[in-house]
Amino acid sequence: QQQVKQSPQSLIVQKGGISIINCAYENTAFDYFPWYQQFPGKGPALLIAIRPDVSEKKEGRFTISFNKSAKQFSLHIMDSQPGDSATYFCAASGSGGYQKVTFGIGTKLQVIP
Amino acid sequence: NAGVTQTPKFQVLKTGQSMTLQCAQDMNHEYMSWYRQDPGMGLRLIHYSVGAGITDQGEVPNGYNVSRSTTEDFPLRLLSAAPSQTSVYFCASSPSRGWNQPQHFGDGTRLSIL
Repeated sequence: QQQVKQSPQSLIVQKGGISIINCAYENTAFDYFPWYQQFPGKGPALLIAIRPDVSEKKEGRFTISFNKSAKQFSLHIMDSQPGDSATYFCAASGSGGYQKVTFGIGTKLQVIP
Repeated sequence: NAGVTQTPKFQVLKTGQSMTLQCAQDMNHEYMSWYRQDPGMGLRLIHYSVGAGITDQGEVPNGYNVSRSTTEDFPLRLLSAAPSQTSVYFCASSPSRGWNQPQHFGDGTRLSIL
């Protein structure tokens, strides 16, 4: 059973456009929602993260929107650039001590010039 | 700091062979984990450790063993390689202090089982 559902699996966006990746979760005990960015041949790296007491978090061109009642969160990449081409994973975990992180299946983003 | 270092980067095995994937971190992190990444399935947790001498199973532990004798090292052993274990393996570490720390990943080991 997939606890974090991510869509789309692949996305092609024109340079300068907005990339949007959506995730939905089922476990209401989740209270930490990070996004990871992975370039080919590299491991994932934390991009941005949000807690459920905040509806939006922005870091540069990257914004997470969070809807606690709908149990959904999304990543928006404004003014998408070819250098943003990568695979993006949403994830979720609980808090307190070690918490297993559940990842979405990933979205392969391609930004074309 | 080197961060999380995984060796080897690539490996080809024959069915039935055994091998150990190495993972070392120099950040003094207590938590370490092993994931496998397969197309369309994201990252799945194999085993994890909350400190030296303490390990536990994740989502897909069958066919793999781990041990944690030091804080720095967390090797993953394939007991008898099977084609279904062809995957990219990532080791990750995170600190225990503070509210939900991000995981730091190595660059992976690409493993093919023939």
